[in-house]
Amino acid sequence: EPEVTQTPSHQVTQMGQEVILRCVPISNHLYFYWYRQILGQKVEFLVSFYNNEISEKSEIFDDQFSVERPDGSNFTLKIRSTKLEDSAMYFCASEWQPGQGLGKNGAEAFFGQGTRLTVV
Amino acid sequence: SQQGEEDPQALSIQEGENATMNCSYKTSINNLQWYRQNSGRGLVHLILIRSNEREKHSGRLRVTLDTSKKSSSLLITASRAADTASYFCATGPNFGNEKLTFGTGTRLTIIP
Repeated sequence: EPEVTQTPSHQVTQMGQEVILRCVPISNHLYFYWYRQILGQKVEFLVSFYNNEISEKSEIFDDQFSVERPDGSNFTLKIRSTKLEDSAMYFCASEWQPGQGLGKNGAEAFFGQGTRLTVV
Repeated sequence: SQQGEEDPQALSIQEGENATMNCSYKTSINNLQWYRQNSGRGLVHLILIRSNEREKHSGRLRVTLDTSKKSSSLLITASRAADTASYFCATGPNFGNEKLTFGTGTRLTIIP
């Protein structure tokens, strides 16, 4: 069964360093997402990406964050200068089409296993 | 309450019993999805129910949706030890909003 894969599974980085989290979405999917989950808290939306551009981002997704789909398969999340509070599990997700109103029914979002980012 | 709140927060039952978890939400939705998360692991999609559906089954899972009450329930029948996990509801996009909004989750423990 196709799956979303994320690497690395765990990354430890020093505060102020740049990190790149990598994701390979399911091959025929068109919509890509990053979410994060701080330990013990809710899963929070960060950003959605379609047609090579950001379609929506949350307040969390500030100028320190960026996303890219450099080669048509990988989908990356970069944090330029990590802070202690960036420590979390980061999940990538993909859908073949997003659910929207006006009669469309939505589709399942498939999540990767996550990258646990620890900022020290 | 926030969009997507599950109750109970924690549930412990004996193996073989049925487990019921509830989710409430506030805004209009297009669909509602349930996910499972084993401790420290990724999110596994369980089932999606659309706003025009009232009930859906998948194996031992039964999901209901009541849009008038803005609530959903997930029933796991004949529970097994392997069902021990956290279960989250996530409300699906509506009117151009693409993100999923997750609830706080129910921690389910199945006692062998």
